[in-house]
Amino acid sequence: GDSVTQMEGPVTLSEEAFLTINCTYTATGYPSLFWYVQYPGEGLQLLLKATKADDKGSNKGFEATYRKETTSFHLEKGSVQVSDSAVYFCALYLMDSNYQLIWGAGTKLIIKP
Amino acid sequence: EPEVTQTPSHQVTQMGQEVILRCVPISNHLYFYWYRQILGQKVEFLVSFYNNEISEKSEIFDDQFSVERPDGSNFTLKIRSTKLEDSAMYFCASNDRGSTGELFFGEGSRLTVL
Repeated sequence: GDSVTQMEGPVTLSEEAFLTINCTYTATGYPSLFWYVQYPGEGLQLLLKATKADDKGSNKGFEATYRKETTSFHLEKGSVQVSDSAVYFCALYLMDSNYQLIWGAGTKLIIKP
Repeated sequence: EPEVTQTPSHQVTQMGQEVILRCVPISNHLYFYWYRQILGQKVEFLVSFYNNEISEKSEIFDDQFSVERPDGSNFTLKIRSTKLEDSAMYFCASNDRGSTGELFFGEGSRLTVL
């Protein structure tokens, strides 16, 4: 079945370090891909998205490129800040899935000053 | 900017009690969802709702759960007889027909069952 696999956390980095959080997916069709972020004590917010192969989503300095050949959508940021500490969820959506998002398990990111 | 709103933000209840969680989706959206997240765990799909009926539901959404759109704005999740394992954060979401799948989430309702 369709699924999303994320790297396990927590990921601990120092401020200004380079961030990569890996996400790979399995899907029978051509999904849209998303990164959602959950800051401590808050709800889920869309961080970025990509709807077709080779699209790059970007927001707040984060980027992810939809790679169909490797079925991946890795999240990257060149220089992280303490305020980026949160849980990051990769998710996919298929048009024939009754509009249901399929989620990864989430990766907790801890940024130390 | 339009947003999804949920109430209450936190509810504490005794096991066996009925709970109703309320959501006001974005006004021009047609699809509505409930997800839940048990503390520290994965986000889980509960149910999707369109055209005044359930479109799809997960195995979690058993007979103890029900959803309703009682008027043109609210979308509710009822848990008839709460269990300890129902303690979780419940997220409401909505989107519009033809979207690329982006869901707009509320801030969540934390349910604690004692």
